[in-house]
Amino acid sequence: GQQVMQIPQYQHVQEGEDFTTYCNSSTTLSNIQWYKQRPGGHPVFLIQLVKSGEVKKQKRLTFQFGEAKKNSSLHITATQTTDVGTYFCAGPSGSRLTFGEGTQLTVNP
Amino acid sequence: NAGVTQTPKFRVLKTGQSMTLLCAQDMNHEYMYWYRQDPGMGLRLIHYSVGEGTTAKGEVPDGYNVSRLKKQNFLLGLESAAPSQTSVYFCASSYVGRPDKQYFGPGTRLTVT
Repeated sequence: GQQVMQIPQYQHVQEGEDFTTYCNSSTTLSNIQWYKQRPGGHPVFLIQLVKSGEVKKQKRLTFQFGEAKKNSSLHITATQTTDVGTYFCAGPSGSRLTFGEGTQLTVNP
Repeated sequence: NAGVTQTPKFRVLKTGQSMTLLCAQDMNHEYMYWYRQDPGMGLRLIHYSVGEGTTAKGEVPDGYNVSRLKKQNFLLGLESAAPSQTSVYFCASSYVGRPDKQYFGPGTRLTVT
């Protein structure tokens, strides 16, 4: 079945540093989703990417979908303490999603 | 709108006991999902439903049963709890044809001793 892998599993940064998490799929994806889960909270949908090579921005967050539609990345510029949490990518599989293991981001003030 | 709610928030069970987790949504969503979340393993799908009266197995269905008798409710049952089922359980729902954008409940933290 479809596998979605994320690296790194953990990332510790100083406030103001940049952060990137990478997502790779074993199969070509029709689209990819990103979710954020704050500590003690539940996952919240951030964005969907659909087109090959697509780049979308949300303030300091930049999301990219690879040309081959098998990988994606999330880059945060100048991290803030509010960015703390776990970021998940997810690929579609019929009427369900397959989530990556997530990247847990901690930000030291 | 309350969105997606889960009952209970916390529960401690002894091995062999049974329980039911309730998920309710007030967004008229067709699709509903049950996940478990364990450290370092992301979100793993247990069972899901694409409409009232229908259910299907996910990645890790063993030891769990589900029912979707009403569109707004999705129940997850553990017939004989085991320590390996200690986890955080999340329910989610989405509009028909939009499994990409799921709305999650606050979670249930279950400990089996």
